Amino acid sequence: GQQLNQSPQSMFIQEGEDVSMNCTSSSIFNTWLWYKQDPGEGPVLLIALYKAGELTSNGRLTAQFGITRKDSFLNISASIPSDVGIYFCAGTNTGNQFYFGTGTSLTVIP
Amino acid sequence: GAGVSQSPRYKVAKRGQDVALRCDPISGHVSLFWYQQALGQGPEFLTYFQNEAQLDKSGLPSDRFFAERPEGSVSTLKIQRTQQEDSAVYLCASSLGAGWYNEQFFGPGTRLTVL
Repeated sequence: GQQLNQSPQSMFIQEGEDVSMNCTSSSIFNTWLWYKQDPGEGPVLLIALYKAGELTSNGRLTAQFGITRKDSFLNISASIPSDVGIYFCAGTNTGNQFYFGTGTSLTVIP
Repeated sequence: GAGVSQSPRYKVAKRGQDVALRCDPISGHVSLFWYQQALGQGPEFLTYFQNEAQLDKSGLPSDRFFAERPEGSVSTLKIQRTQQEDSAVYLCASSLGAGWYNEQFFGPGTRLTVL
């Protein structure tokens, strides 16, 4: 199946730093999603984006739907230890079939 | 209220054995999804149900994989004659509505190891 490319693959940052990660696809999507997955758990939705160019925030998280509809970005400001986990992007055109990214592993050093 | 639950959480099977993985979605959720997540990868779509109807099974990797949701609630993913490449975490997700995108709520997954 198709998988979206995420970068970076992993990040090690100091607590309080800002984080940026992105996701690219060879196909266009009309909905982009960002999830966080903790070990032994399923992914949890962070932000959903429905319109090209849209910028949406959820607390310290901000995500953007790229204008080409082939990419999306997630920023985390003032990172804290509980931000540790794996972040996945996902795209869909049907609302039923979702394509997930390869994941960005985030480690926050206190 | 309870979230999505899956059982068993861990399953070890010998190559060639059949396995059955269970998903209990959130009560009242119409849509149910199965995903396969290999180690170090993102989830890959397997199949989608709307109530008891399996509307999309395009992600099932072979005819050894079979999913059902006979009463529109609990779902079972069955893998026949398991192979080592079937080793993965199998995630189930449910969403309230049907049709266009509704937020998916994921279960914790079943980790399948085929020896």
